[in-house]
Amino acid sequence: DAGITQSPRHKVTETGTPVTLRCHQTENHRYMYWYRQDPGHGLRLIHYSYGVKDTDKGEVSDGYSVSRSKTEDFLLTLESATSSQTSVYFCAISRQGGEKLFFGSGTQLSVL
Amino acid sequence: AQKITQTQPGMFVQEKEAVTLDCTYDTSDPSYGLFWYKQPSSGEMIFLIYQGSYDQQNATEGRYSLNFQKARKSANLVISASQLGDSAMYFCAMSLKAGGGADGLTFGKGTHLIIQP
Repeated sequence: DAGITQSPRHKVTETGTPVTLRCHQTENHRYMYWYRQDPGHGLRLIHYSYGVKDTDKGEVSDGYSVSRSKTEDFLLTLESATSSQTSVYFCAISRQGGEKLFFGSGTQLSVL
Repeated sequence: AQKITQTQPGMFVQEKEAVTLDCTYDTSDPSYGLFWYKQPSSGEMIFLIYQGSYDQQNATEGRYSLNFQKARKSANLVISASQLGDSAMYFCAMSLKAGGGADGLTFGKGTHLIIQP
C-alpha cells in the first residue's frame, strides 16, 4: 500500500472556524491532490500540486487554499468553514501526471 | 472539459453472475486514460483497472475487464463471477494526457453495486 497518511481522520468544527487538513506521503511522488466526496457527486477535485510550492485550482476550489512546502506534505485549509464544506476529504498522490492515483483513507469533516 | 457519465446509480446482481457497469466519457483530447476504482463500505478507494486510449486490447485484471469501445466513447467495467465482496461503490474516471495530466482524474458519480446471495 502507498504510504499516505491523512490527519485528522475525523473532525467536527463550527461554522466560521479555520480548519487545516494534512496529507503526508512517504512515496516521494511529485503529484498530490485534494478531492471531496459527496453523495450524488462522486469525487471532485479541490486543488492539486505538481511540485513543491506549485499548486493549482480544481473544479471546486472556492473557500479552500492549499500549501506544499515539502514534497511529502500537502495541506488543505478552510479559512472559514461553512456547512456546505461538510464532506469526506481524500488526499491522493501519483508518480506522474495522468497516472493512477493512490488515495489516503479520507477525513470526515462535519461543520456545524 | 472532460466528462464522465455513469448512468446506473444502483444495481442488484445475484452472486456468481457477471456484472457490467456502464461508463461513457466525453473528451476531444486524443490521448487519455480511463480508470475504475472500487470503494467498499469501509471507505477506502481501491484501484481496479486502467485503459489507455491508444491501447489496442481491452485491459484485464483477474476477474475485472474493461470493455473499451473508443468510437462509442464507452469504458464499461465487467466483473466475472461476482462475489459478495464485490458489493461496493464503483467509480469510473478519466485523465487527459494534454498538459502532462497534472490535474488528476475526473470521476463519475459512481454506481452502487449490491451482490445478493
